[in-house]
Parts: sequence; C-alpha cells; structure tokens
Amino acid sequence: DQQVKQNSPSLSVQEGRISILNCDYTNSMFDYFLWYKKYPAEGPTFLISISSIKDKNEDGRFTVFLNKSAKHLSLHIVPSQPGDSAVYFCAARKRGNQFYFGTGTSLTVIP
Amino acid sequence: GAGVSQSPSNKVTEKGKDVELRCDPISGHTALYWYRQRLGQGLEFLIYFQGNSAPDKSGLPSDRFSAERTGESVSTLTIQRTQQEDSAVYLCASSPTDRGPGNTIYFGEGSWLTVV
Repeated sequence: DQQVKQNSPSLSVQEGRISILNCDYTNSMFDYFLWYKKYPAEGPTFLISISSIKDKNEDGRFTVFLNKSAKHLSLHIVPSQPGDSAVYFCAARKRGNQFYFGTGTSLTVIP
Repeated sequence: GAGVSQSPSNKVTEKGKDVELRCDPISGHTALYWYRQRLGQGLEFLIYFQGNSAPDKSGLPSDRFSAERTGESVSTLTIQRTQQEDSAVYLCASSPTDRGPGNTIYFGEGSWLTVV
C-alpha cells in the first residue's frame, strides 16, 4: 500500500524556468513532510521540509507547498538549473519516527 | 562519524550465496532504517530500529532477509541465499532521538549489490 505517491516518474524543464514536482499522500496522520534529492550512485540528501501546521516553506530557490485538505504537496524550483537534474523523492513522517517515501520523479533541466 | 557510513560500497555475489551489509549510523542517532532501491524503482522500506524498542520488520520481503542492530550503533543487514531479484542499492539511514518538528532522516551512500 503506497501511502506516498509521486505520479510523474519524470519531468523535463528548460533552464531558468520553474520546476514543479508533485506528491500525494493518503494518511492524515503524517505530521512532517520532506523532499530528498538523489544523484546517481549517491545516497539521497535532504533538501527541504515542512511541518503539517504550515502551508509553505521557502529556502532559496526551493519552496515546498502543503495542501492538507487535498493531501498534496509540491516542490517548486525556480529558476531551475542544470545541476538540479536528479531524482527527487517526497517523504512523509508519521508520529513515532517512521518515514514513508514516494517512488521518485526524475528531473532533467535542459541547458 | 560525520555521516552515515555503509560497507561494502559495492558487492558482486553469486546466486545462492549469503551477503552481509553493514551500516554505521550518525553518532547519537537512535533511529536506524534500511531501504532498498531496485533499478528504475523507488525507495522500498525494509526495516526500522528505534532505540530499545522491537524493530519494525514489516518491509522485509522474505525470510531470507534479516537485520540486527547492536545497541544504538552498528546494524547489519543479512541476505541469505541471494537471488537475482535482490540486486539493488541498499540504503541505510538514521535520525536523532528528537521526534519533534524539524526531525529528518540522513542517508548513507548505499551498498550496491549485484547478484550474478
């Protein structure tokens, strides 16, 4: 049972444009959401997070939006850069420290 | 250490052999996780250790898989009688004691297993 879903396996964006990666979840008990970035042959690295009590968190070019009523979150990257090309995983935490990950979206930023 | 350390980084084994993968979490982190990523697929949860509590083994795909953790430090993931479908990168992660807002999970570089 996939509790965190990323329905777009891949996304291509022109350099300088906005990248929007989407994530849906099913469990209303999740209290914390995270995005991870993974380059080939490396482990995932933490990118940005948001608590369930907020609807937006911004860090430089990266902004995460949370819509609790729709059980949906998104990651916006603007402007997109070629170095942003990677696989992005959405994750959600349930109280008790258990994390659930989506299947990932492969972002390609075209120079 | 500064980060989560995994060994070996790469392992090629023959079908039917047993393999052990090791994980050293970040010092002081009480929670330790094992995930697997097969080619073209997402992160698959395997097992979760939290302090002295009984581990959550609900993600282990078969009884050929087992994991142990020594106190709040090193963990070993063992795969017995390996099969070709076990080929994947096995990722270990840890997180701190604090379960409040702002907690996150830190990954190692992974152990790349190829079963031939």
